[in-house]
Amino acid sequence: KAGVTQTPRYLIKTRGQQVTLSCSPISGHRSVSWYQQTPGQGLQFLFEYFSETQRNKGNFPGRFSGRQFSNSRSEMNVSTLELGDSALYLCASSLVSGIGNEQFFGPGTRLTVL
Amino acid sequence: GEDVEQSLFLSVREGDSSVINCTYTDSSSTYLYWYKQEPGAGLQLLTYIFSNMDMKQDQRLTVLLNKKDKHLSLRIADTQTGDSAIYFCAYGGSQGNLIFGKGTKLSVKP
Repeated sequence: KAGVTQTPRYLIKTRGQQVTLSCSPISGHRSVSWYQQTPGQGLQFLFEYFSETQRNKGNFPGRFSGRQFSNSRSEMNVSTLELGDSALYLCASSLVSGIGNEQFFGPGTRLTVL
Repeated sequence: GEDVEQSLFLSVREGDSSVINCTYTDSSSTYLYWYKQEPGAGLQLLTYIFSNMDMKQDQRLTVLLNKKDKHLSLRIADTQTGDSAIYFCAYGGSQGNLIFGKGTKLSVKP
């Protein structure tokens, strides 16, 4: 079974631009969660999608948004990029939503904002 | 609030045991987890423990949970150079997400 895939793996953008990251979960998994990883803040939860609906959201500004498609693939969008948005963005898939469901992580997208 | 504390670095010699500790503030989560992250890679789930267990052994890995003190530890027996990585302790938060510690960087010297 293929694992979680994320594209692109690396991105370089400039301040003010917007970016879209993609995540394909493990086949059969319906929940996708997104996390931001930075050296200073560590791993922080962005949001979770299940069956095309946002189930939970972390404490990030509205510039960060996402969606999920009927095939469970998810995209994350960041508008008006800031230098502080430079990070590794990880997505995780699980069979269903909720605490206790094993989450499988992708390799991440490394975003650099210049 | 929801928080996890871990020491940032641990250095051991190949063949020794490694013990990585973490403490958490509050958890009604049924599970607590240990993840491993190698350079340039995502997170790999190493093992997890049910909150009603004290210990779980999985080959070279032993997880100990002291629920009263909210303390979780991961012991790696016979540590190898391939075990060099960052190890994250995590539990399920109230929003259904995972709450992670900052990670402990394990360096294994030959």
